[in-house]
Amino acid sequence: AQSVTQLDSQVPVFEEAPVELRCNYSSSVSVYLFWYVQYPNQGLQLLLKYLSGSTLVKGINGFEAEFNKSQTSFHLRKPSVHISDTAEYFCAVTLNTGGFKTIFGAGTRLFVKA
Amino acid sequence: DAMVIQNPRYQVTQFGKPVTLSCSQTLNHNVMYWYQQKSSQAPKLLFHYYDKDFNNEADTPDNFQSRRPNTSFCFLDIRSPGLGDAAMYLCATRTGRETDTQYFGPGTRLTVL
Repeated sequence: AQSVTQLDSQVPVFEEAPVELRCNYSSSVSVYLFWYVQYPNQGLQLLLKYLSGSTLVKGINGFEAEFNKSQTSFHLRKPSVHISDTAEYFCAVTLNTGGFKTIFGAGTRLFVKA
Repeated sequence: DAMVIQNPRYQVTQFGKPVTLSCSQTLNHNVMYWYQQKSSQAPKLLFHYYDKDFNNEADTPDNFQSRRPNTSFCFLDIRSPGLGDAAMYLCATRTGRETDTQYFGPGTRLTVL
């Protein structure tokens, strides 16, 4: 069975500070990895995804993530956060064996303080 | 410009009174999903359609049903809402390729009185 663990439920950080949101996954087959962002009372929006190739993936809004196969991790980073980055962030995996199901982590609430 | 549209954005119903939530898409995607999301939790997949093929998650209660009359529209019917069904309901679409992104609608927040 596959699972996604987001190690921090909440991350408070000051504006312009760097941030890392941690994600680990477990799967017996290869997966595709995604990070989504959800602003209050809105649906989820893709930040970035890893399919193959370079392990460092750049996404929208200055976010990037690094895939580490040996540690089964896909941590999300931003070097300098803004107030507007305050949101819920979800790590997710989809099996690369076909199929339609995406498994989401429980989410990390990023709270950026002035 | 909206690609996945959900109506209404907010729905209030009474305990036991059937309710229908709707989702439409302009992306012509094969796959449509319904998720239930409770406060501070991950979205929980209820079911999905691949074209007209319906796939129910094993732990989705019988109280939840869905219809997809055509490619563009999908409905979520809750036959007898309970207080525990109060949540945000998210519709999403995707192509048939597992590498592709899911596109989410803004959600419908359901309140059960």
